[in-house]
Amino acid sequence: AQSVTQPDIHITVSEGASLELRCNYSYGATPYLFWYVQSPGQGLQLLLKYFSGDTLVQGIKGFEAEFKRSQSSFNLRKPSVHWSDAAEYFCAVGASLRFYNQGGKLIFGQGTELSVKP
Amino acid sequence: EPEVTQTPSHQVTQMGQEVILRCVPISNHLYFYWYRQILGQKVEFLVSFYNNEISEKSEIFDDQFSVERPDGSNFTLKIRSTKLEDSAMYFCASSERARQGVQETQYFGPGTRLLVL
Repeated sequence: AQSVTQPDIHITVSEGASLELRCNYSYGATPYLFWYVQSPGQGLQLLLKYFSGDTLVQGIKGFEAEFKRSQSSFNLRKPSVHWSDAAEYFCAVGASLRFYNQGGKLIFGQGTELSVKP
Repeated sequence: EPEVTQTPSHQVTQMGQEVILRCVPISNHLYFYWYRQILGQKVEFLVSFYNNEISEKSEIFDDQFSVERPDGSNFTLKIRSTKLEDSAMYFCASSERARQGVQETQYFGPGTRLLVL
């Protein structure tokens, strides 16, 4: 069965410091991987996604993530965190679809809450 | 930029009452979803919907739940007789036409926070 683990429930970093949020997945075939961010009172906003090809993917707001098949990981990184990055971050995995009428559910991790110190 | 919208943003109801949560997906999208997030827990898939029928549903989506696309723009989730444990944030999402074998990006609405008393 598919599953996603985000080992860190809460992370605090200083503004300007680098960030890495961990995500490990379990899936039998090549997964479709996503990172979403949720700010307080907001919905889930897509940061980036990996479908195939280059294992380093760039997203919005200066985020990137690297797919490592050997480690079943898809960690999210940012070289310099801004106070506005404080939010909850969710990693999700989706399945390859066998039939066109399948929308494809996403399996989410627990989420990592990011706090940013001035 | 087109976005998914949901109404109401908050709903308080009494146990046993029916609630209808409303969503307006992005206009050219064909696949629609409901997820929920109980406070402090993971976002969980409830149901997906395509071509006016359910394409997949989770174990959570029992007979108390139903979905409908009553017109060309709205997508609703009905809970027939709410329970305390239905208290959660409910997210609607939509995606474009799927190509076989490809998981398209799902775009989420801001959510409806449901509180059952």
